[in-house]
Amino acid sequence: GENVEQHPSTLSVQEGDSAVIKCTYSDSASNYFPWYKQELGKGPQLIIDIRSNVGEKKDQRIAVTLNKTAKHFSLHITETQPEDSAVYFCAASIGGNTPLVFGKGTRLSVIA
Amino acid sequence: GAVVSQHPSRVICKSGTSVKIECRSLDFQATTMFWYRQFPKQSLMLMATSNEGSKATYEQGVEKDKFLINHASLTLSTLTVTSAHPEDSSFYICSARNRVKSADTQYFGPGTRLTVL
Repeated sequence: GENVEQHPSTLSVQEGDSAVIKCTYSDSASNYFPWYKQELGKGPQLIIDIRSNVGEKKDQRIAVTLNKTAKHFSLHITETQPEDSAVYFCAASIGGNTPLVFGKGTRLSVIA
Repeated sequence: GAVVSQHPSRVICKSGTSVKIECRSLDFQATTMFWYRQFPKQSLMLMATSNEGSKATYEQGVEKDKFLINHASLTLSTLTVTSAHPEDSSFYICSARNRVKSADTQYFGPGTRLTVL
């Protein structure tokens, strides 16, 4: 089955700097890659997603890149703000009704 | 759009009692709902996949007789933790997929914090 690895597990950046979180997946059939932000005591919130027919997607300060050949995808947050501090999870699935497989998460701390 | 609610948000119960958690898709019909459990500082662990009108599919190691799932309509799924014990204390989160569009996308509820004394 699918296995998703996520790095780093923790990340601290200064406010205004960029943050990059990387994930790799094992199943070449996976074609859907969402990223979720989870704040303490809350459910995960979808922040951006990408499908395998696209190499890059951007939404304001957030971007995701996908390298299908290498089977890895990354989340990029620019101009980080303290409110970006949270746990971020990547996930992968082969689509349809199959469940998402999650990475172990990255705890991002943005230091003011 | 794509709002998922859970009720209750927090529950404390005595050991041996049963607890029901509701998951609703408020503004869309969900083909499939998923139930996850999350322990502190860990990732989400899929417990089961729930399809409307059919039996849930449980992940390996999850006891179907202990975690009863009912998906009676396209907007409601329930998880009942039967004979709860302290080790069942956890954060339970549901998610739902939109029946009509963006079938891959999962929208998560706010979670239910279960504490078993």
